[in-house]
Amino acid sequence: LAKTTQPISMDSYEGQEVNITCSHNNIATNDYITWYQQFPSQGPRFIIQGYKTKVTNEVASLFIPADRKSSTLSLPRVSLSDTAVYYCLVGDMMDSSYKLIFGSGTRLLVRP
Amino acid sequence: GAGVSQSPSNKVTEKGKDVELRCDPISGHTALYWYRQSLGQGLEFLIYFQGNSAPDKSGLPSDRFSAERTGGSVSTLTIQRTQQEDSAVYLCASSDTTGLETQYFGPGTRLLVL
Repeated sequence: LAKTTQPISMDSYEGQEVNITCSHNNIATNDYITWYQQFPSQGPRFIIQGYKTKVTNEVASLFIPADRKSSTLSLPRVSLSDTAVYYCLVGDMMDSSYKLIFGSGTRLLVRP
Repeated sequence: GAGVSQSPSNKVTEKGKDVELRCDPISGHTALYWYRQSLGQGLEFLIYFQGNSAPDKSGLPSDRFSAERTGGSVSTLTIQRTQQEDSAVYLCASSDTTGLETQYFGPGTRLLVL
């Protein structure tokens, strides 16, 4: 089972780009990488998912190097409302004995 | 459309009592997941359903925990003889198994065992 490692916390300022890196050295061939955002007293919310190279959507980009042993979530021009915990998740989406492994989460604090 | 719903939103119980937590997944989602999140902690996987069957129950903390899913929809997580260490937020998620999956989470049930 692929385990993940993330920084415990990060600080940033409004308008800056924030990059959060997750290590997953034991990622398997069929594993996808998914990032979630969680605000206090709410369930996690999907941000972005990828398998390799780069994925971009309206809120973030996900960079995955060729060896897939790490991934970087990039949040452009953060605002105060981006203050949350960000989780890196690695799992096999097609495996019937699927088990999710959540990282410890990174607490992002965006300051004015 | 409607998202994942959970009930009750909050539950306070006494040590030793049984509790039932309910999850209504997004309509059409065949996969359903239960997680536990203790105060200030990350998410802990409990159990996964594919349809009505649970291929993976390895995350259940003890035999006091059980879960079932009927009709491929609603799921119930039951905790028997609750202990204070069971106090946590219990989150449910569902996903569509076709193509790339993402899990959609409910708001959670906050359980406090006194």
